[in-house]
Amino acid sequence: QQPVQSPQAVILREGEDAVINCSSSKALYSVHWYRQKHGEAPIFLMILLKGGEQKGHDKISASFNEKKQQSSLYLTASQLSYSGTYFCGTTTGNQFYFGTGTSLTVIP
Amino acid sequence: EPEVTQTPSHQVTQMGQEVILRCVPISNHLYFYWYRQILGQKVEFLVSFYNNEISEKSEIFDDQFSVERPDGSNFTLKIRSTKLEDSAMYFCASSEVLRGSGANVLTFGAGSRLTVL
Repeated sequence: QQPVQSPQAVILREGEDAVINCSSSKALYSVHWYRQKHGEAPIFLMILLKGGEQKGHDKISASFNEKKQQSSLYLTASQLSYSGTYFCGTTTGNQFYFGTGTSLTVIP
Repeated sequence: EPEVTQTPSHQVTQMGQEVILRCVPISNHLYFYWYRQILGQKVEFLVSFYNNEISEKSEIFDDQFSVERPDGSNFTLKIRSTKLEDSAMYFCASSEVLRGSGANVLTFGAGSRLTVL
């Protein structure tokens, strides 16, 4: 049930772009994206509900494919503040499952 | 902005002791959750709570664990007879259902770090 993310870890220089993928073997009702900085709580970024949906704010955007089995998070012109672990997640009934996580490190 | 608050932020306990972790969810949220994150690992679902009862629980949430809403505001996680492997960060979350979507968006507390010696 847990979505699988790739890559597991990525290191970027400031200003570079990154894509984080989240995949499921079954269609998802929704996909959520969270960012967690070390030692802190996961912070909600955005939710996608519809197949084919794209959503974004500032330089962080996401897409949800038509079959609702894959979502991608796009980070453009990365900043040092983007460093953290990114989780996708999905709801099943009253459970919310996090994906396997992607560690993103932005270096100067 | 409304937030989920958790206490204590860090608790150190001896193996075999009982601990209670406390959470104050956002006041108009109806769904409450506990998650666990062992250092460096993924965030694992423990339990969800709705309408004053457990609605879902994971395999991790065995008889050692219990949750309560002792009053109208607090939501507690009790861990009986703690083990070394219970050492982790425990996150509480609450959620509301997005209008028109049926999807829950979770707001997390800052976490309670439990260290079992």
